[in-house]
Formats: sequence, structure tokens, C-alpha cells
Amino acid sequence: GQQVMQIPQYQHVQEGEDFTTYCNSSTTLSNIQWYKQRPGGHPVFLIQLVKSGEVKKQKRLTFQFGEAKKNSSLHITATQTTDVGTYFCAGMPWGKFQFGAGTQVVVTP
Amino acid sequence: GAVVSQHPSWVICKSGTSVKIECRSLDFQATTMFWYRQFPKQSLMLMATSNEGSKATYEQGVEKDKFLINHASLTLSTLTVTSAHPEDSSFYICSASLGTGGLNEQFFGPGTRLTVL
Repeated sequence: GQQVMQIPQYQHVQEGEDFTTYCNSSTTLSNIQWYKQRPGGHPVFLIQLVKSGEVKKQKRLTFQFGEAKKNSSLHITATQTTDVGTYFCAGMPWGKFQFGAGTQVVVTP
Repeated sequence: GAVVSQHPSWVICKSGTSVKIECRSLDFQATTMFWYRQFPKQSLMLMATSNEGSKATYEQGVEKDKFLINHASLTLSTLTVTSAHPEDSSFYICSASLGTGGLNEQFFGPGTRLTVL
């Protein structure tokens, strides 16, 4: 079954607003990766988090790894139309690499 | 970043035929290659992991005899869907990694859309 879970499944955002998508694992993860897949495209690697409590920023994107290394979040500020796509987290619960179900982001102007 | 190509980008075939999909890392040697299947608006489902020169490791529920994977070199892996049926229609994506699976970023190919009539 799905051991890497993401919420929400869908996110409708007004351009300029902020939003956060969450990734939760049923067990401790050694690392977590985030990917973005544009409509009709393929996943593109965004970032990898390894340390407990780690926070990394990429311009308007902030990635966080929980203290217990069982959850992660992606926060996007001042959403733009270029942020449209599905954001996937991925990790290795119980040693098996697995993608989360993804958060599909739709941006309205 | 590293580039991964896939060929063909789309294929339509008749039920019962076999289809081969190629995945190539163009500017780096990939330690590991992965094959995924993705249904519309769904996540990527890992089918198998392959390392050059060794047998692929298939995920639970994936038929080895149905989805043949050959990893002939550090830059080429192939997935053959044997005796394809309509339920095999899907988007197949490969990825390549410089290290072991899950611990290094994966570079994805553009995917192959398979339609079985």
C-alpha cells in the first residue's frame, strides 16, 4: 500500500497567494526528494533533504524535512502561473523507493 | 543537468504484439535505471530497478516475463512489453541515477505513451 502520502491531492491557488503541500511517511525516511511534473511533461528533480529538521530554499520554494524525518513540506510563496504542475515527494519507507500520489497545482490568474 | 532520452515517444500496437522501449542517458553513465508506469493524473508506479550487467529487480506485482528489462550498458536500458494487451496501455517513463536508487536524484526521460488496440 501507499506508504508515502501527500496532501492535498489538488490545490487551486490564486496567482500571488502562498500554499503548502505536505508529505507524510508511515516510517522514518533516510532522505526525501521532491519532483515537479508539468502537464504533459516528465518529473524534474527539485531537491533532496537528508538531515532532520533541514530547511532548503529555492527562490520562492521552501522545503522542510521534519524533525522525526517522517514528514516534509513544500511551501510556495507568491504563486505564479509557471508553478502549475504536480509536485511529488519521494522516499524510501522500509527500504523501497516510492513516490507519493502528488499534489496537482492549478493557478488561476 | 543530465539528459535522458526515450524512444519511441509514443507507440500504437495491436494486441498480442511486443513493444520495445529504449532509455538512454546521453551525457552520463548511469549506475541505476528505473522504469515507471504512470496512469493519467496518478503517481509514478515503480516497476523495476536495473543495474548494468545484472538482472532487474522487479516490484511486487510486476510480471517479469511480461515486462522484460535489459540493461546492456551504463547508458542504455530497454523495456519490452511482451504480448501487449489493452490493459498495458499506459505512460512508461524511465529514469537514470548516478548512484543507488532513492539516495540520488533521478533524471527522467520524456516518457513513452503506449496504446494497445
